[in-house]
Amino acid sequence: VQLQESGPGLVKPSQTLSLTCTVSGGSFNSAGYYWSWVRQHPGKGLEWIGYIYYSGTAYYNPSLKSRVAISIDTSKNQFSLRVSSPTAADTAVYYCAAFSDNGDYFDFWGQGSLVTVSS
Amino acid sequence: QSVLTQPPSVSGTPGQRVTISCTGSRSNIGAGYDVHWYQQLPGTAPKLLIYGNSNRPSGVPDRFSGSKSGTSASLAITGLQAEDEADFYCQSYDSSLRGVVFGGGTKLTVL
Repeated sequence: VQLQESGPGLVKPSQTLSLTCTVSGGSFNSAGYYWSWVRQHPGKGLEWIGYIYYSGTAYYNPSLKSRVAISIDTSKNQFSLRVSSPTAADTAVYYCAAFSDNGDYFDFWGQGSLVTVSS
Repeated sequence: QSVLTQPPSVSGTPGQRVTISCTGSRSNIGAGYDVHWYQQLPGTAPKLLIYGNSNRPSGVPDRFSGSKSGTSASLAITGLQAEDEADFYCQSYDSSLRGVVFGGGTKLTVL
């Protein structure tokens, strides 16, 4: 399974932070993985944002739930992240990853996408 | 601060054995949820190193091993090599938070 993030590297605080992850090499529209987003603030540790199943059911980190939405498009083998009202505190490297649904671990990762929130 | 606690740094000389601890609580590791470990080399994405407390994915050297007991887990690296220098993260699930949790990460320095 290969994952690749895409989206703007610079976002203004008045905009919405949006990223897309394109998946190849796996069964995207069947059981096996929760399609996930994880971020890493500069020089800091990993933070789970949320994940979505192929059925469309999504789960979020409670600390981010009010501002985050994850969607999936099985016809395009893509899933997306939207963060509303971003601030400088949302500046981070955003990773998409495949979370095993029977092992509860991140099996595959994208290379990461740096998003800077600044006016 | 992170739900799972790791030492910020550990170090060792080539050939030595080092361990990295990951301490949780009754709502995560102590509740029976598995612990997984990731290695993040400088400037790269994390890579799965150990899954299900003690299992190695294909391609991971047997110098890396994991264990779990009670509310804690440990990653051991034997025969330390310069190329092992990286950040290491533990990960589990927390039933109180109803989500995935990570440790704060441990930077391994090979002296």
